[in-house]
Amino acid sequence: QKEVEQNSGPLSVPEGAIASLNCTYSDRGSQSFFWYRQYSGKSPELIMSIYSNGDKEDGRFTAQLNKASQYVSLLIRDSQPSDSATYLCAVSAGTDDMRFGAGTRLTVKP
Amino acid sequence: GAGVSQSPSNKVTEKGKDVELRCDPISGHTALYWYRQSLGQGLEFLIYFQGNSAPDKSGLPSDRFSAERTGGSVSTLTIQRTQQEDSAVYLCASSSTRQGSGYTFGSGTRLTVV
Repeated sequence: QKEVEQNSGPLSVPEGAIASLNCTYSDRGSQSFFWYRQYSGKSPELIMSIYSNGDKEDGRFTAQLNKASQYVSLLIRDSQPSDSATYLCAVSAGTDDMRFGAGTRLTVKP
Repeated sequence: GAGVSQSPSNKVTEKGKDVELRCDPISGHTALYWYRQSLGQGLEFLIYFQGNSAPDKSGLPSDRFSAERTGGSVSTLTIQRTQQEDSAVYLCASSSTRQGSGYTFGSGTRLTVV
């Protein structure tokens, strides 16, 4: 069983729709959760972090965490073609042990 | 510096040659990580440094790969006797020691072994 699992996609949504990206993890001791965005040919960039159960909103992005279910998600509202990228879920139990999922490729169609 | 700097950005080398990849982390970031990403694939962890020491070398794929970090800052990843399967993008990231801090990635070195 992989430590961090994501659907590889591709996930395709029309412009203006809500994109929902999901991630599950195996280590119950995980404390910190991150979403990175990686455009094709570029390096990953951190877009969201979440540490407590519930929702965390930042502009059009909402991260959701449910530690009991070992589940973290990222919602992108009003999706734009510029949101088309691969989204990496990452999980950490301490300070230096981040584990990355393989990523979900999102395509937003105009 | 303002960000994580990697050099060279691109490297083409002949099979069997040695290569050195350099990473200059964000100033003050004590943790430094090397990852490898093949085309269309996820991130493959290679090695992690805390200061100058490498507590976790578990990801190095073979003894042809080595890395060092000096002065708690710049790190070099060396690949000896390169093989075609070493072709990939090599990414460096750094982070602070604050729990819950994310990683900042450099722009990567694209290595092509011909």
